[in-house]
Amino acid sequence: DAGVIQSPRHEVTEMGQEVTLRCKPISGHNSLFWYRQTMMRGLELLIYFNNNVPIDDSGMPEDRFSAKMPNASFSTLKIQPSEPRDSAVYFCASSRQERETQYFGPGTRLLVL
Amino acid sequence: KQEVTQIPAALSVPEGENLVLNCSFTDSAIYNLQWFRQDPGKGLTSLLLIQSSQREQTSGRLNASLDKSSGRSTLYIAASQPGDSATYLCAVSPSLGAGGTSYGKLTFGQGTILTVHP
Repeated sequence: DAGVIQSPRHEVTEMGQEVTLRCKPISGHNSLFWYRQTMMRGLELLIYFNNNVPIDDSGMPEDRFSAKMPNASFSTLKIQPSEPRDSAVYFCASSRQERETQYFGPGTRLLVL
Repeated sequence: KQEVTQIPAALSVPEGENLVLNCSFTDSAIYNLQWFRQDPGKGLTSLLLIQSSQREQTSGRLNASLDKSSGRSTLYIAASQPGDSATYLCAVSPSLGAGGTSYGKLTFGQGTILTVHP
């Protein structure tokens, strides 16, 4: 299996621009998670989906952040407009079921100037 | 609100030593606890998952224990090797009812940075 696939791996953008991060979960996994990792705050859950339905979005910082999962094999996390404080590594993870082992992608390193 | 703390924040040991990493959590109403490894610039890799009803899990040189009532877990690494150098994170998921319907939500500790030198 190819594992969780994320794109792009690196993104540099200017403040105010729209950023779209993409994730392809492991085939057959029903749950998908978006995390953000920073030195100051560590690893935080932003949102997760179960069977393509958002279950918990309490970690989404504000209205500038949105996530979608149109089908079982694809999810996006969008930031519009981006701000320098959004600079972080964003991870996508998937699991067979909600409570089972989560498998992480390599992450997208985002820098907002 | 669940809080997870890992001690020590960093640890440096010579190759061959046995070592223990600690994880504590404030709310004992957990469903399971997971230990992950993160190499620099990479994603997380799951090492061990312990269900709340279990006391320990073993995989090769790794042994993780869980004392749910006291809110503690330890990760024991035997005969450490330079390849074990990484950041180790623990994370807990809420039990039924404790996390509302957010059963899959993991709360992570800040991690322990382990360096094993030859």
